[in-house]
Amino acid sequence: ETGVTQTPRHLVMGMTNKKSLKCEQHLGHNAMYWYKQSAKKPLELMFVYNFKEQTENNSVPSRFSPECPNSSHLFLHLHTLQPEDSALYLCASSQEGRLAELQETQYFGPGTRLLVL
Amino acid sequence: DAKTTQPNSMESNEEEPVHLPCNHSTISGTDYIHWYRQLPSQGPEYVIHGLTSNVNNRMASLAIAEDRKSSTLILHRATLRDAAVYYCIIVNSGSARQLTFGSGTQLTVLP
Repeated sequence: ETGVTQTPRHLVMGMTNKKSLKCEQHLGHNAMYWYKQSAKKPLELMFVYNFKEQTENNSVPSRFSPECPNSSHLFLHLHTLQPEDSALYLCASSQEGRLAELQETQYFGPGTRLLVL
Repeated sequence: DAKTTQPNSMESNEEEPVHLPCNHSTISGTDYIHWYRQLPSQGPEYVIHGLTSNVNNRMASLAIAEDRKSSTLILHRATLRDAAVYYCIIVNSGSARQLTFGSGTQLTVLP
C-alpha cells in the first residue's frame, strides 16, 4: 500500500466514549501532522511530529491526545469529545518536517469523518 | 504571514483552460507560493509551487506576476476530475512547518 492511509474512514462516537484515529504513511517521511477540517471552515493544524517528537501543538484541547510511536505511525486518541468536535480529521506527512525550508510539500491521507453525538 | 485572497468560486467548461487567481500583496521576497487542491471526500493534494519564475508540471502551470503580488494557477484543459477546492498558500520562514489554509476557490467544471 502506498501513500498516507487513515483508519477508520468514518466514526460515530458518544461524548463519553474513548476512541483512536490511526494514520500510517508508506513514504519514508519523518514528519507527520494532524489537521481538523470543520464544516465551512479552513483546515486547522492541530499537531506536528518531527522524528517522533511533538514540535507543534496549536492550542488543542486536552481531550485530543496524539501519539507517534515511530515515524510511520500517528495516532489521535479521543476522549470526552463534544458535538462541536465533529469534523474531518486529516493526517499528513512530509519528508523532514522542515517546512521552513519553504519548498517541502505535504502528502495528505483521505481523512476520518468523525461525528460526536 | 502573508495573506491570500482568492475568489470563492469559479466555473469552467470541460476541456477548456482554467485560470485560478490568487492575490498575495504582502508577500516577502523569500516566500514561496504553493497550491494545493482538495477533491470531494479526499484530503488535499499538492499541485505546484514556485518562487519567482513561472513553473510547469504534469498537473498545472503557475504564472507568477513580476512584482509577485499575485499568481495564477493554470489548468490547461479542465476535466470533470479537476472539480475541487483550490488553495493558494504562502509559505515563509515565519510559518514554521505550517501550511495555513484559507477558504480557497471552489472550481466547478461543466460538461
